[in-house]
Amino acid sequence: DGGITQSPKYLFRKEGQNVTLSCEQNLNHDAMYWYRQDPGQGLRLIYYSQIVNDFQKGDIAEGYSVSREKKESFPLTVTSAQKNPTAFYLCATSDSSSYNEQFFGPGTRLTVL
Amino acid sequence: GIQVEQSPPDLILQEGANSTLRCNFSDSVNNLQWFHQNPWGQLINLFYIPSGTKQNGRLSATTVATERYSLLYISSSQTTDSGVYFCAVESGGSYIPTFGRGTSLIVHP
Repeated sequence: DGGITQSPKYLFRKEGQNVTLSCEQNLNHDAMYWYRQDPGQGLRLIYYSQIVNDFQKGDIAEGYSVSREKKESFPLTVTSAQKNPTAFYLCATSDSSSYNEQFFGPGTRLTVL
Repeated sequence: GIQVEQSPPDLILQEGANSTLRCNFSDSVNNLQWFHQNPWGQLINLFYIPSGTKQNGRLSATTVATERYSLLYISSSQTTDSGVYFCAVESGGSYIPTFGRGTSLIVHP
C-alpha cells in the first residue's frame, strides 16, 4: 500500500521535553518536507531534504531538528527550545526528478501541556 | 520571494451552489498545485496545473500563467466539499512551494 505515514496521530507532551515525530514514505520520492500549521493559518516550512544525508532549513527551523539517514524516513524532533510547539505538523514528499508534485501525509497534532 | 494571495478568505454556500476560488501570484511560476484540506487535516491533491485547464468531476481549474492567476471552480457543491483550499506555487529554480493562506469553504445542507 503506497503512501506517506505519520505517527503518532495525536501527541501530548509536557513542556521542556523533546519529542520526535515520524514520517515514512514508500513512494520512492527523493524530496521530503516538514510543515507546521497553526489554527486558521497556512503552511510554514520547517525543514526539507532533497537527498539522503542532506537537509536544509526552512522559514521556521529554530527549535526543530531533522535527520535523513534513509530515503524512506525523515523524522522531526521538536526540542525544548521551540517556544510554542503546539501545532499540527505535516510531512510531504515529492519526486524532484519529475514534476515535483507534492503529496502529504495525514499529519500529527502535537499538544504541549 | 514570490507572493501568493488567495481570495476570498472565507466562503459559505448552500449545497448545490457553484463557486470560484482565486489564486494570484506575483511572479512567473514553474509549478502550481491546488489542495483541499479536509476537516481532519489531510491535504488532498486536486490539481497540478502550471498552465491551462483541467477538469476532474465537479471540479475544474484554470491557470493563466501570463496573467499570474489560477482559478478553481466547484460546481454543484456538496457538504463534503467543506474544508480549506490551498494554492501552492514554485517559481524560479526553487523546488520549494510557497503556499497561500487558503480559502475556507463551508457548504451547508
